[in-house]
Amino acid sequence: QVQLVESGGGVVQPGRSLRLSCAASGFTFSRHVMHWVRQAPGKGLEWEAIISHDGGNKYYADSVKGRFTISRDNSKNTLYLQMNSLRAEDTAVYYCARERLGLPHDAFDIWGQGTMVTVAS
Amino acid sequence: QSVLTQPPSVSAAPGQKVTISCSGSSSNIGNDYVSWYQQLPGTAPKLLIYDNNKRPSGIPDRFSGSKSGTSATLGITGLQTGDEADYYCGTWDSSLSAWVFGGGTKLTVL
Repeated sequence: QVQLVESGGGVVQPGRSLRLSCAASGFTFSRHVMHWVRQAPGKGLEWEAIISHDGGNKYYADSVKGRFTISRDNSKNTLYLQMNSLRAEDTAVYYCARERLGLPHDAFDIWGQGTMVTVAS
Repeated sequence: QSVLTQPPSVSAAPGQKVTISCSGSSSNIGNDYVSWYQQLPGTAPKLLIYDNNKRPSGIPDRFSGSKSGTSATLGITGLQTGDEADYYCGTWDSSLSAWVFGGGTKLTVL
């Protein structure tokens, strides 16, 4: 079935790095724009990054620009988020999400289950 | 402070109707399509409405969406206790070159 499965979360000290992965299955991954969205404990959804279907275009939220890098390997059906210089305020559940094949900037129709990242000393 | 403004909470009795508003600006809601997401406690968000008013397969017609100018509205009729969740609106902001979400609205079915 169509699904996204995140991995790579954990506890990390401030200033360190972590790489999240999102494995896609059940659909043609290379056709879809993909996103990372996070949710701090008890807070709302916060969009972090977008990558085009071929990886050629990327945009970031101001809160992570210059620290986080989104990438993808279409041969492995996998989306990544490299997170550097982590801060306590990056503590959140990180979701990967698939954008619908439709209009530009269409809705997120498939979400992963999320992976928790805790930044603490 | 979210770019899109939603009421923090709404409530209604079972069987009743509720609406959730989402207010933005000309660079986001006024310029692109709006989608709505339901997040049940402890779970990932789920797409409810896309392209302002379309429902994905499997979403009951109790859920509806509309947009006018720089505001959008989610409507839920025939409320059930299972509808208790957080609801988020979202769209692309062309000025920010970023996707933006509302702050979320907690629905309580009394």
